[in-house]
Amino acid sequence: SQQGEEDPQALSIQEGENATMNCSYKTSINNLQWYRQNSGRGLVHLILIRSNEREKHSGRLRVTLDTSKKSSSLLITASRAADTASYFCANLLLINTGGFKTIFGAGTRLFVKA
Amino acid sequence: DTEVTQTPKHLVMGMTNKKSLKCEQHMGHRAMYWYKQKAKKPPELMFVYSYEKLSINESVPSRFSPECPNSSLLNLHLHALQPEDSALYLCASSQDSGSFRNTEAFFGQGTRLTVV
Repeated sequence: SQQGEEDPQALSIQEGENATMNCSYKTSINNLQWYRQNSGRGLVHLILIRSNEREKHSGRLRVTLDTSKKSSSLLITASRAADTASYFCANLLLINTGGFKTIFGAGTRLFVKA
Repeated sequence: DTEVTQTPKHLVMGMTNKKSLKCEQHMGHRAMYWYKQKAKKPPELMFVYSYEKLSINESVPSRFSPECPNSSLLNLHLHALQPEDSALYLCASSQDSGSFRNTEAFFGQGTRLTVV
């Protein structure tokens, strides 16, 4: 299966703590994206890390990428109750028609307790 | 305007009904997507349109029929669905589906479909 694996499946932490989510694929990683989804609604793009990058920051988010291990991690620092959501990694696969498709990981459900 | 608008937000339909889901964006994006998402699962790609032409069909049953009337609109026509087709249907758009430089996708809020 091309679907990515994410762990943990669910994570419950206190406000102010850090949250780390991991993602891995069996296929090679091209450009890896992280998305957030609140309560089964639309996805919000958080950050994109390209295959030639190893680490990227955006506000309280830190993403790392290890292409040799085909894995990525998302760290949310100083978490807030409003960070409660599902987080998905997404790998882009080139297809032979010239486009690409997005293959999502299984997702991590984060719950931040106030 | 960085919004993708989907209508309706909720839809209940019988197995003999014909209905359509609509998606609209005015960001000038030339790639549009339909995804299906079951509860507690990741979104699964159904269709990709690139420059108003169908680029990818992920072996979706013919009871789902996509249409891209123009670069801003994407429809998903539904006919003779089954209860297992009940899910959240998400539309997304991006600048280009053929280049890794423009891969950020903007998602709509989805249509929650229930087939009875």
